[in-house]
Formats: sequence, C-alpha cells, structure tokens
Amino acid sequence: SAVISQKPSRDICQRGTSLTIQCQVDSQVTMMFWYRQQPGQSLTLIATANQGSEATYESGFVIDKFPISRPNLTFSTLTVSNMSPEDSSIYLCSVGETGVGLGEAFFGQGTRLTVV
Amino acid sequence: SQKIEQNSEALNIQEGKTATLTCNYTNYSPAYLQWYRQDPGRGPVFLLLIRENEKEKRKERLKVTFDTTLKQSLFHITASQPADSATYLCALEREDSSYKLIFGSGTRLLVRP
Repeated sequence: SAVISQKPSRDICQRGTSLTIQCQVDSQVTMMFWYRQQPGQSLTLIATANQGSEATYESGFVIDKFPISRPNLTFSTLTVSNMSPEDSSIYLCSVGETGVGLGEAFFGQGTRLTVV
Repeated sequence: SQKIEQNSEALNIQEGKTATLTCNYTNYSPAYLQWYRQDPGRGPVFLLLIRENEKEKRKERLKVTFDTTLKQSLFHITASQPADSATYLCALEREDSSYKLIFGSGTRLLVRP
C-alpha cells in the first residue's frame, strides 16, 4: 500500500493567482497521477506525472494552465495557474500500478480549491 | 468513446438491509473493474477489484459481480450499517491505456439507523 500526504487540504484563492499543490508518497512509485473532481462529478484525469520528463496531459488540459513537477519518485506538485472561479474543484493526487489489473489506486485526501 | 454510468440518485436504505449499487459501461470490454468508497472531504479508498474472468468477488460484507455480457457490475453491501454511508465509485481501465482509470460519477448510499 501507499500513504499519500497532500497539502494544502483546502484554500480560498483570488482569481488570477496561482496555487501549488504538493503530493508526498511514503514509498517510491513509478506512476503518479493528478485528478480533478468538480462538485457532484466524477474524477477526471488531468495528467500523469513522469519522473525525469515532462508530464503527459489529457485532452482538455494544458501545461501552461496546470504545470506539474516530478523531481523524484516520491514527490510531485501541481500548479493551478491564473485561476478563475471555474477552477474551483477538488484536486487529487494518486499513485498505483493499476496496469492490467495489478492493483488498486491510492489517493491523497484531496485539495479543495475555491476561487473567488 | 468509453462511458461509465452509475445511478446519480442517492440510495436510501434501512440499516441491516442489503444495498445494491449498479455500474454499467459501454464501448469497451475492460480486463478488470474496481470499486472505491469516497467519504466527504476525502480521497477515494479502494474496496475491491474483479477481473473479466471472475463472476463474483467477496470481501467481508461486500460482494461484487461482473457480467461482461451485460457490461455491468453490481456492488452489494450486506447487513448494511450507518457507517457504510458514503459515495461508491466504480472504475475501469482506460481503453487507450491499461494503467489509467476512468471513473463513474458515483452513487451516494445513505443507511438509516
């Protein structure tokens, strides 16, 4: 199993500013993912954070808006840039070797972001 | 494109009864399906994984079935308790990437004492 510490747990930010969310895992992991969960909605994958290379973004998400760092196998950050009220959401960090049903995904407790 | 459907209406049941939640999917035949529990203000927590060659999986009071013909999974909680109240999400491997998951929107379960 993996224990994930994510911070901050919540924040209220002014539009136009940026927020960096940190994700620390208690063991080395290959795959690290960032999700967004809007109120009443499902989890949507933003990007896969790759150690030593650029993150891989899903359709609809771009690096300029959601820059990601992955300096080592236990840590990653997601920045939400130039925020607008539409960015208000829960952001979740996840790890797990789920390929071919190898196992489950583990999640941080999430960061609840409100943009005013 | 791949789709997962879960009942968006909350399921409200009496303590001690069996809760049954449904997950339907389309346009893909996944090798496995997972169920997660999510409490308010928390990240999802893994409950069960079932593979395409398994009809049924059990863990304590939980049971999951996987019907690849109907493209449906059923999630049962027997002898439900108020502490089982939460949102339950199903997840499948992505059609384009086996190491990525696609999640349903979840069904909220309320167990009345």
